[in-house]
Amino acid sequence: DTGVSQNPRHKITKRGQNVTFRCDPISEHNRLYWYRQTLGQGPEFLTYFQNEAQLEKSRLLSDRFSAERPKGSFSTLEIQRTEQGDSAMYLCATRPTSGGEETQYFGPGTRLLVL
Amino acid sequence: QKEVEQNSGPLSVPEGAIASLNCTYSDRGSQSFFWYRQYSGKSPELIMSIYSNGDKEDGRFTAQLNKASQYVSLLIRDSQPSDSATYLCAGSDFGNEKLTFGTGTRLTIIP
Repeated sequence: DTGVSQNPRHKITKRGQNVTFRCDPISEHNRLYWYRQTLGQGPEFLTYFQNEAQLEKSRLLSDRFSAERPKGSFSTLEIQRTEQGDSAMYLCATRPTSGGEETQYFGPGTRLLVL
Repeated sequence: QKEVEQNSGPLSVPEGAIASLNCTYSDRGSQSFFWYRQYSGKSPELIMSIYSNGDKEDGRFTAQLNKASQYVSLLIRDSQPSDSATYLCAGSDFGNEKLTFGTGTRLTIIP
């Protein structure tokens, strides 16, 4: 257990529905990342935050996806009008900005299945 | 074009032997490299990080980095059945926050 928590751990939804995932970082980690992993592939970067500021978004993050980190603590990732291609594991990772530590620590992930 | 390449395996190694996992990368700007282990259905777990050319050892694990050849490797000595997992290689650029992952190598340790 890295100390990064994600909820829910599993989500099954019907195509067209909206879903929201939450990530709670390690308390002193001010950088927070979202990745998506499909079967047989490595995680792919989606977006990241420095405190509450969203500093980079991947081209993978279509306009149906939105991420927030309103108070620089927990973050949410929302997918609107879900499609079957959105089925994947959504991973949150965090790291501190001080001390030269570059390692990103992953939460347990949220597995999404869109029917 | 993928930026980080790994042999997807599966790689089968007898228990007690050395497992050798390899990774190449195309972006010469990549500065930092990480090996993560991922058990089926679980999230990635950090095994090793390496930032400088040469070897870095931690217990049964040794990471090797050769920036001139754009090559990273992970050696696992005295392989155990519990080492059976998918091993993900990842790199990041200086000042670029995102990790770029390979597709992972599936390792099976045969008792």
